[in-house]
Amino acid sequence: DIMLTQSPATLSVTPGESISLSCRASQSISTNLHWYQQKPNESPRVLIKYASQTISGIPSRFSGSGSGTDFTLNINRVEPEDFSVYYCQQSNSWPLTFGSGTKLEIK
Amino acid sequence: VQLVESGGGLVQPGKSLKLSCSASGFTFSSYGMHWIRQAPGKGLDWVAYISSSSGTVYADAVKGRFTISRDNAKNTLYLQLNSLKSEDTAIYYCARTITTGYFDYWGQGVMVTVSS
Repeated sequence: DIMLTQSPATLSVTPGESISLSCRASQSISTNLHWYQQKPNESPRVLIKYASQTISGIPSRFSGSGSGTDFTLNINRVEPEDFSVYYCQQSNSWPLTFGSGTKLEIK
Repeated sequence: VQLVESGGGLVQPGKSLKLSCSASGFTFSSYGMHWIRQAPGKGLDWVAYISSSSGTVYADAVKGRFTISRDNAKNTLYLQLNSLKSEDTAIYYCARTITTGYFDYWGQGVMVTVSS
C-alpha cells in the first residue's frame, strides 16, 4: 500500500499568513494526488485534484504543486474560514489511501 | 448533486447492517461510487469502490465482510456490512468519482457503532 505522510500534524497560524502543507508518498505516484478540506462536523470537500488542478468554486488562494513523491498545498493569506483539517489522498494504485491530516489552527 | 446516506445505527459485534446512499442531481448510472469511513476523532479511510459497470474493489480490512452494490434504477448505492467488529465503528460516507481518482461529491455521512 502507498503511505502518505503529512506534515506538520498541526500548524498554528495567524489569519493573513501564507502557508504550505506537505504530503509525501512512500513511492512515486506521478500527479495522482488530491487535497481535501474537512471542517468540524462536516464532510470533506475536494480543493485540488491531480496535484495542481483547480476545482470549480474553490477560492484561488488554494493551490497545489508537486509530482512523484513530494506534494504541497499552499494557502495564500489564510482566511478565518480556512481553519480546519487538510487531507491528501492518492489514486495512483489500489487501495486508495489518505494521509493522516494536518490541522490548521488559529495562533 | 446530492448524496444522502441512511441505515446506520448501533449493532452488536458479529451482526450485520446495510447502508444506503440515495443519489440525485446527476446521472447515477454513469459514475463510479465509493464508501469512505472515519472513526471518531480519526482520519479518512477508503472502504470500497464500485464502477459504473459494477466492478468492485475493497480495502483489505473489509474484504470478505463488506459488499458494495448499486441499483441504477433506484439511483441508490449500498454497503452490506457483515461480521461487524468494534473497529468498524465510524461515520460512513458515500462519495462520487469521475474516474477512480478523486471524490468530487460526498454525502453527509451516517454513523455506525459496533458495540455490545
